[in-house]
Amino acid sequence: KAGVTQTPRYLIKTRGQQVTLSCSPISGHRSVSWYQQTPGQGLQFLFEYFSETQRNKGNFPGRFSGRQFSNSRSEMNVSTLELGDSALYLCASSLEGSRNTEAFFGQGTRLTVV
Amino acid sequence: AQSVTQLDSQVPVFEEAPVELRCNYSSSVSVYLFWYVQYPNQGLQLLLKYLSGSTLVKGINGFEAEFNKSQTSFHLRKPSVHISDTAEYFCAVSDRGSTLGRLYFGRGTQLTVWP
Repeated sequence: KAGVTQTPRYLIKTRGQQVTLSCSPISGHRSVSWYQQTPGQGLQFLFEYFSETQRNKGNFPGRFSGRQFSNSRSEMNVSTLELGDSALYLCASSLEGSRNTEAFFGQGTRLTVV
Repeated sequence: AQSVTQLDSQVPVFEEAPVELRCNYSSSVSVYLFWYVQYPNQGLQLLLKYLSGSTLVKGINGFEAEFNKSQTSFHLRKPSVHISDTAEYFCAVSDRGSTLGRLYFGRGTQLTVWP
């Protein structure tokens, strides 16, 4: 059974640009959550999608957005990149939502903003 | 909102020694509890989880954790560590009563095992 796949693994962007990250969940999983990991702030929740609907959102500016497709694949977009957006972005999938089921994490996308 | 505190940011130990990584959470509601491990440049891998039942939970790689409701703690233990256990460990909680899929993470504990 394939795990959670995040693409690309590494990305370098310039300040002011925008970026789109992709996450393919485990087959059959309908919930996808996104997290930002930085040395300073640790792991912070961005948002969760379930059956194409955003079900929960963390405390991030509107430059961070996401969506989920009918096949449960998810994308997150960051517009007008700032240096502080440099981070490891992790995607997690679960059957119903990580509330009481296991969340499986991808290997992450390492975004560097220069 | 939940708050998770991992009391030690770094824990150095020698190989074959026992180790305990501490985790406390603040919550007035019932929670589910998790420990994840992260190796360099990798995602998070679930070590173990407490959902209900026995308060002593056994996970992969010889790790176990004990849920203590009165002390709101979920400490991770291993009786004898190996070099390969060197990694960062994260404690996480989610609200038992919430339908929303969101994990609250601690800041992590870097476990370094020396030969």
